Amino acid sequence: NAGVTQTPKFQVLKTGQSMTLQCAQDMNHNSMYWYRQDPGMGLRLIYYSASEGTTDKGEVPNGYNVSRLNKREFSLRLESAAPSQTSVYFCASSKTTGHTEAFFGQGTRLTVV
Amino acid sequence: QKEVEQNSGPLSVPEGAIASLNCTYSDRGSQSFFWYRQYSGKSPELIMSIYSNGDKEDGRFTAQLNKASQYVSLLIRDSQPSDSATYLCAVNMFEGDSWGKLQFGAGTQVVVTP
Repeated sequence: NAGVTQTPKFQVLKTGQSMTLQCAQDMNHNSMYWYRQDPGMGLRLIYYSASEGTTDKGEVPNGYNVSRLNKREFSLRLESAAPSQTSVYFCASSKTTGHTEAFFGQGTRLTVV
Repeated sequence: QKEVEQNSGPLSVPEGAIASLNCTYSDRGSQSFFWYRQYSGKSPELIMSIYSNGDKEDGRFTAQLNKASQYVSLLIRDSQPSDSATYLCAVNMFEGDSWGKLQFGAGTQVVVTP
């Protein structure tokens, strides 16, 4: 079982460039999440989608947009990358919103130079 | 004010001893609590979930929940070098009109010494 799959695994961007991080899950989960992880900061929620067709801001949404394309896929877009967005990004999914276990993808290590 | 707080560590534990990790949270209405383990350079992996007050045991792991004190803990018995990792506490939080927000603490680094 693939679980939660993120692409790409690594990416280097120049300041001002845009890119989309892709995430897909094959567990028929309703809820999906995007987190970023910086040293000493733990996981911070960027956006989440409680169900297909809905998205909500998390703790650190500025500079990001998301799309819940269908039940399986939830993408994160950086419109104009900044060095402050250098981080490791994790996508996760859970059966229902917040009340059930979340499962994580392998992460995307993004560097903005 | 941080919503989920953990001691950052590192917590040094002799092999075979008990590691005790603590987590406090701010939202009194939270209902779901999780412990994740994260090895360096890897993604978080769920090890325990707990929803009711009291203890829940799974192998060498025991999660303890006290909602009145807004406190959840994780005990690792017979600690092994392979338990050396960062342990993340996660709590569901009310946001907007739903309990959709899964909030993580900053994590506690555990180092098991032979």
